[in-house]
Amino acid sequence: QQQVKQSPQSLIVQKGGIPIINCAYENTAFDYFPWYQQFPGKGPALLIAIRPDVSEKKEGRFTISFNKSAKQFSLHIMDSQPGDSATYFCAASSRIQGAQKLVFGQGTRLTINP
Amino acid sequence: EADIYQTPRYLVIGTGKKITLECSQTMGHDKMYWYQQDPGMELHLIHYSYGVNSTEKGDLSSESTVSRIRTEHFPLTLESARPSHTSQYLCASSESLGVWFFGPGTRLTVL
Repeated sequence: QQQVKQSPQSLIVQKGGIPIINCAYENTAFDYFPWYQQFPGKGPALLIAIRPDVSEKKEGRFTISFNKSAKQFSLHIMDSQPGDSATYFCAASSRIQGAQKLVFGQGTRLTINP
Repeated sequence: EADIYQTPRYLVIGTGKKITLECSQTMGHDKMYWYQQDPGMELHLIHYSYGVNSTEKGDLSSESTVSRIRTEHFPLTLESARPSHTSQYLCASSESLGVWFFGPGTRLTVL
């Protein structure tokens, strides 16, 4: 059972473009939605995160848009650069037995061409 | 940069060997996790712990076992490695506000 569905699987954008990655979830108990960036051979690193009481959050060139009624959220990267080329994962968490479990989407391999 | 460490970074071993993957964090987090990830693919939770002497199995069934004797240390053990265990293993810890920090991972290859 896929609790967080992410699309597209891969994305190629020209430098300066705005890649958009989408995620959808089913579990209304989720209360925290982070995005992670992962470079080859590295562990995922937290990029930006949002809670369901907020519809949008910006940090630098990265923006999360959150639609609670549709149970969807997305990542936008403004003025994308070749250094942004990485795999991006959305995730969601809910509190279970005192330990929050983080569930990941399938990942999006993003390539920014020069 | 998160203070969470994993050793070894790379491991190539033969079938049937016992291995232990080490994970340590210096942030004092109570909650720690092990994820399994095939290269560039989705992360799957295989074990988690919310404190000393507590361990739980995750969403993905795994033949590995874990222990949590000290807050900062969360090792993962495979008693008899098989080629199907070839994967990347990521350790993570989280603070009370729900922010997860990941280690660099151990890339395991079982021949």
